[in-house]
Amino acid sequence: AQSVAQPEDQVNVAEGNPLTVKCTYSVSGNPYLFWYVQYPNRGLQFLLKYITGDNLVKGSYGFEAEFNKSQTSFHLKKPSALVSDSALYFCAVRDRNRDDKIIFGKGTRLHILP
Amino acid sequence: KAGVTQTPRYLIKTRGQQVTLSCSPISGHRSVSWYQQTPGQGLQFLFEYFSETQRNKGNFPGRFSGRQFSNSRSEMNVSTLELGDSALYLCASSLDRDRNSPLHFGNGTRLTVT
Repeated sequence: AQSVAQPEDQVNVAEGNPLTVKCTYSVSGNPYLFWYVQYPNRGLQFLLKYITGDNLVKGSYGFEAEFNKSQTSFHLKKPSALVSDSALYFCAVRDRNRDDKIIFGKGTRLHILP
Repeated sequence: KAGVTQTPRYLIKTRGQQVTLSCSPISGHRSVSWYQQTPGQGLQFLFEYFSETQRNKGNFPGRFSGRQFSNSRSEMNVSTLELGDSALYLCASSLDRDRNSPLHFGNGTRLTVT
């Protein structure tokens, strides 16, 4: 069965510092991996996805994520955090070899401190 | 291009009642999926529809049902409401090409059951 784990409920980072939001996954085959962000009282917005190829994926708002097959991880990163990055972040996975649904993690709340 | 539209934005119902939520996908999107979001459980998959057919279903009781119309609009229904059904219900649409198309979410319907 597919699963996604986001081990941190909350991450606090000072503005200007690099940030990392962690995600690990489990699928029986090869994954499609996604990151989404949710601002208050809004639906989720797509940030980036990994399909194949380069392990470092670049997305919206300066975010990037690194796919690590051996560690089954897909951590979200940004070199320099902004206060406006404060939001709820969700990692998601879909098994590319099965006609199955997208599974989301429970989310990590990111607080960027001014 | 208009985004995913969910109506109503807010609902207050009492236990035992039933409710119908509506979702209009982005024009051209044939896949619609529904998620329940709660603080403790994150995003939980309800069901996915493609061309009026239910393609996947989550682990929710039979009180939760849905359908998709020929114009791709979708509705979900919850009967015999329970207090635990209070949540934000999110609808998402996608092009669904190659099963890695990003999901586009609506702003959700916040259901409160009293």
